[in-house]
Amino acid sequence: GAVVSQHPSWVICKSGTSVKIECRSLDFQATTMFWYRQFPKQSLMLMATSNEGSKATYEQGVEKDKFLINHASLTLSTLTVTSAHPEDSSFYICSPQGAEFNEKLFFGSGTQLSVL
Amino acid sequence: RKEVEQDPGPFNVPEGATVAFNCTYSNSASQSFFWYRQDCRKEPKLLMSVYSSGNEDGRFTAQLNRASQYISLLIRDSKLSDSATYLCVVSFHTGGFKTIFGAGTRLFVKA
Repeated sequence: GAVVSQHPSWVICKSGTSVKIECRSLDFQATTMFWYRQFPKQSLMLMATSNEGSKATYEQGVEKDKFLINHASLTLSTLTVTSAHPEDSSFYICSPQGAEFNEKLFFGSGTQLSVL
Repeated sequence: RKEVEQDPGPFNVPEGATVAFNCTYSNSASQSFFWYRQDCRKEPKLLMSVYSSGNEDGRFTAQLNRASQYISLLIRDSKLSDSATYLCVVSFHTGGFKTIFGAGTRLFVKA
């Protein structure tokens, strides 16, 4: 399988601060990175898709200026929640995809963000 | 209508019981089907892929009915450790792969 590292696991922050979440593929090259968000008792919702070295493609309703995605290398992508507010409190999960895996998905361990 | 629909449950069953989950999907062009297991505030983990011919992995059996756009998961001889949320997942090609997750069915197995 593929080894994925995501951190931090938990973040508690004050409203208005920015939070950066890192996702690393440790034993494969992630040509594509998916970022998901999951609210309690709801399904994973795709926020954005990024390809290494390119700008991310955001899903409808996701503010690109609020959720900044950087995918500068094949092993690291970051999601920055800028000026976080309580409604941004959610579980964020990355899913890096390598060309060799086709539709098989691997996930980071997730980041629980709580904005006070 | 949601693209992937599941009964949210919860299903409360005793150890040793057999329990079945259902899932329907709306996109007839869907090509790949999976069941994932997700524990509370953890990442989803692949349980099994689902094929039209049906497939079995130990106590778990999955079935796909393309005509009815329906997927099922059967768990036999439930264990306490089976308690989790089970996600129905559907993928299809649209340029690259697009993956849609169901909201999940919660299972509680009790001693």
